[in-house]
Amino acid sequence: AQSVTQLGSHVSVSEGALVLLRCNYSSSVPPYLFWYVQYPNQGLQLLLKYTSAATLVKGINGFEAEFKKSETSFHLTKPSAHMSDAAEYFCAVSASDYKLSFGAGTTVTVRA
Amino acid sequence: NAGVTQTPKFRILKIGQSMTLQCTQDMNHNYMYWYRQDPGMGLKLIYYSVGAGITDKGEVPNGYNVSRSTTEDFPLRLELAAPSQTSVYFCASSYSSGLGSNEQFFGPGTRLTVL
Repeated sequence: AQSVTQLGSHVSVSEGALVLLRCNYSSSVPPYLFWYVQYPNQGLQLLLKYTSAATLVKGINGFEAEFKKSETSFHLTKPSAHMSDAAEYFCAVSASDYKLSFGAGTTVTVRA
Repeated sequence: NAGVTQTPKFRILKIGQSMTLQCTQDMNHNYMYWYRQDPGMGLKLIYYSVGAGITDKGEVPNGYNVSRSTTEDFPLRLELAAPSQTSVYFCASSYSSGLGSNEQFFGPGTRLTVL
């Protein structure tokens, strides 16, 4: 079975500071990994995904994530936070064609 | 394209009442899903469908039923509402290419309260 653990349910950063959201996965087969973002009162939107083509994945809105097999991690970063980055972020793993397992989510607050 | 649409946006039910949450997608996706989202718990899969006429249980199917008569529609039925079903419900869809890497597209959600 596949699962992900997101470290930290809440992250607070200053505008312009680095955003780092941590995700560790467990999978018995090579995984596909995803980061989704959820803005208040909206559905989830894909930020980026890892599909084994490249270990450093670039997504929308300046986010990127690095797949590290040795650490079973897929941490999400953004060099400079913007007020519009305030949202909840979910890491997810899939090892099949259709089932996703989501982490508990990390809420990001951006301070002016 | 409207993507994935859900109705209603909000609903308050009394214990024991029934309702159907509607979900429609216009992307011709073969896979569709229902999730529930509870605070601090992420999303849990309730039911999914790999095509018209085919449905299967997810992690938390008790108290729910689904049907998939067309590619576009995937309604979720609550027969006897209970307070434990108070949650935000999301419908999603995806296209299967056999690679396991396809993103799911989510609707805006239905916020359900059972009192």
